[in-house]
Amino acid sequence: DIVMTQSPDSLAVSLGERATVNCKSSQSVLSISNNKNYLAWYQQKPGQPPKLLIYWASTREPGVPDRFSGSGSGTDFTLTISSLQAEDVAVYYCQQSYTTPFTFGPGTRVDIK
Amino acid sequence: EVQLVESGGDLVNPGGSLRLSCAASGFTFSRAWMTWVRQAPGKGLEWVGRIKSNKDGGTTEYTAPVKGRFTISRDDSKTTLNLQMNSLTTEDTAVYYCATDWGRGFWSGSNAFNLWGQGTIVTVSS
Repeated sequence: DIVMTQSPDSLAVSLGERATVNCKSSQSVLSISNNKNYLAWYQQKPGQPPKLLIYWASTREPGVPDRFSGSGSGTDFTLTISSLQAEDVAVYYCQQSYTTPFTFGPGTRVDIK
Repeated sequence: EVQLVESGGDLVNPGGSLRLSCAASGFTFSRAWMTWVRQAPGKGLEWVGRIKSNKDGGTTEYTAPVKGRFTISRDDSKTTLNLQMNSLTTEDTAVYYCATDWGRGFWSGSNAFNLWGQGTIVTVSS
């Protein structure tokens, strides 16, 4: 199974400042056939199901604010919130959808400083 | 409106069985590959398993901890996904979500889940 790790476990950022979450996979999730990284980012708020933010490592899901962006390739990925808003307080998960089981990272909690 | 609604969660004794259902609407369910994801209290997300569309073989895959105990099935005539859980242990206590990548009414091609249900709670305890 592909093991997903995330860092940091949690972070606190001032309103309007940048938040960065890192994700690493134990093996590459880049598909040679279509040159796409099968890496997604989700946001989960208490009592709610996860919400898809980013797929293919850097493609924003329709309706997701453009302050959310994803980058990286192969085994190393980053989710960036360019200007943190109060409504962004949540736990963020990365997930590889390259090969089953589609494993998730352990999550990173983002709070307001 | 695209929607997934889970049901069937309950309190069950260790060693017992439970059947969860997920009612789908707003997209072509028969073409969708459907997935179950669970989340233990205060913990992260765990992919449980998935079922392909019948057109793509209808095959199932499971994560190791549930293999041989859980069975995913689908009824395309009722647009319903099912999860039969047997030999339950306390480790299976979780919120169970169904999910798919047909959240925009068509296949996204990414295997990322853009449609989730609200979840149903399974508690395994004596």
